[in-house]
Amino acid sequence: NAGVMQNPRHLVRRRGQEARLRCSPMKGHSHVYWYRQLPEEGLKFMVYLQKENIIDESGMPKERFSAEFPKEGPSILRIQQVVRGDSAAYFCASSPRGPSSYEQYFGPGTRLTVT
Amino acid sequence: KQEVTQIPAALSVPEGENLVLNCSFTDSAIYNLQWFRQDPGKGLTSLLLIQSSQREQTSGRLNASLDKSSGRSTLYIAASQPGDSATYLCAVPLGGGADGLTFGKGTHLIIQP
Repeated sequence: NAGVMQNPRHLVRRRGQEARLRCSPMKGHSHVYWYRQLPEEGLKFMVYLQKENIIDESGMPKERFSAEFPKEGPSILRIQQVVRGDSAAYFCASSPRGPSSYEQYFGPGTRLTVT
Repeated sequence: KQEVTQIPAALSVPEGENLVLNCSFTDSAIYNLQWFRQDPGKGLTSLLLIQSSQREQTSGRLNASLDKSSGRSTLYIAASQPGDSATYLCAVPLGGGADGLTFGKGTHLIIQP
């Protein structure tokens, strides 16, 4: 059973470009979470999605960031018009059911560098 | 707002020692608590999940305890090995209607051979 997969593992974008980060949850998991880890800071929750639905986006910046989890295919975190402050490691996690009782399994992360 | 604190921030000990990592949280109304390890430049590996109804969980040389009423958890590592060197993170549900986890800043552990 493959773990959570994320790609790309490293992404370099110039200021103003778009970044697309992909996450494939573990087999059988329909709940996906995105977190961001800024340099020298802890992990911060961004958004929680189930298939085709955003359940909780309380941690998402109000502008330029969006997430989706379509019926088919991976979950995608999109950052439009990237700025240097977006440089961070972005982690995706999945769980088999809702967040209250179930363990979250994390992917290896995508390290975004904005130049 | 739930806040998680981990003490110590860093720890360096000789191989073979038993050690304890501490985690405290401000809101005791949690469903569970999860311990992770993170190796440099890598993702998070889940070590143990303790449900709110449990007092401890064990996996190999690791033992995690939970005292909800006092807002504390400890991770005990027995007979430490150089391969245990990593950053150890404690996480609890955000609460307040939010669905994600909130993390401590971690304990950076170095086991000297």
